[in-house]
Amino acid sequence: AQTVTQSQPEMSVQEAETVTLSCTYDTSESDYYLLWYKQPPSRQMILVIRQEAYKQQNATENRFSVNFQKAAKSFSLKISDSQLGDAAMYFCAYRRPLETSGSRLTFGEGTQLTVNP
Amino acid sequence: DVKVTQSSRYLVKRTGEKVFLECVQDMDHENMFWYRQDPGLGLRLIYFSYDVKMKEKGDIPEGYSVSREKKERFSLILESASTNQTSMYLCASSPLGIGSSYEQYFGPGTRLTVT
Repeated sequence: AQTVTQSQPEMSVQEAETVTLSCTYDTSESDYYLLWYKQPPSRQMILVIRQEAYKQQNATENRFSVNFQKAAKSFSLKISDSQLGDAAMYFCAYRRPLETSGSRLTFGEGTQLTVNP
Repeated sequence: DVKVTQSSRYLVKRTGEKVFLECVQDMDHENMFWYRQDPGLGLRLIYFSYDVKMKEKGDIPEGYSVSREKKERFSLILESASTNQTSMYLCASSPLGIGSSYEQYFGPGTRLTVT
């Protein structure tokens, strides 16, 4: 079974600064997807960024980028130029691509990010 | 616009009551999921369904059942609510497929308190 671990329950960053959220995972599979979801106080889960394991290039989405280290099974999220609206709970998740019955996700424990003005 | 709705944002029930949590999606998705979210534990999968009347157990199915009579609706049932089922419940849906674009879309969650 796959496991996902986020070792930082809470993080804080000053507005306009950069912050990195950590995620490690364990799997015996070679092909999979890794995702970061954001859950703001509204509770609506939003997909922030996605990485396919077979791709060596790190995914980027505007101010959000990942550092994917497949051998180390590490998948960190970097937020540049942090904004007040980035304050949220962030979840790292693992998904198997070949699973036809649901594409189920395995989530980490979450990291609560605070952005200080 | 993609939409997953849940019947209640907040719900308070008594121990032993039968509780229904309803989820509706308007995207014609085949897959639907129920998660519970607890502090320090993240989201854990309770049940999922990949077709009408089809269901599979997730990681923590004990004490729960589900029903999917129509494609757009997926219900989570607590047959006899207990205080340890006090939690946030999130519903999600996704299209069938194995490609990277088949992400899950989430509802706003139901915060259930069992007293």
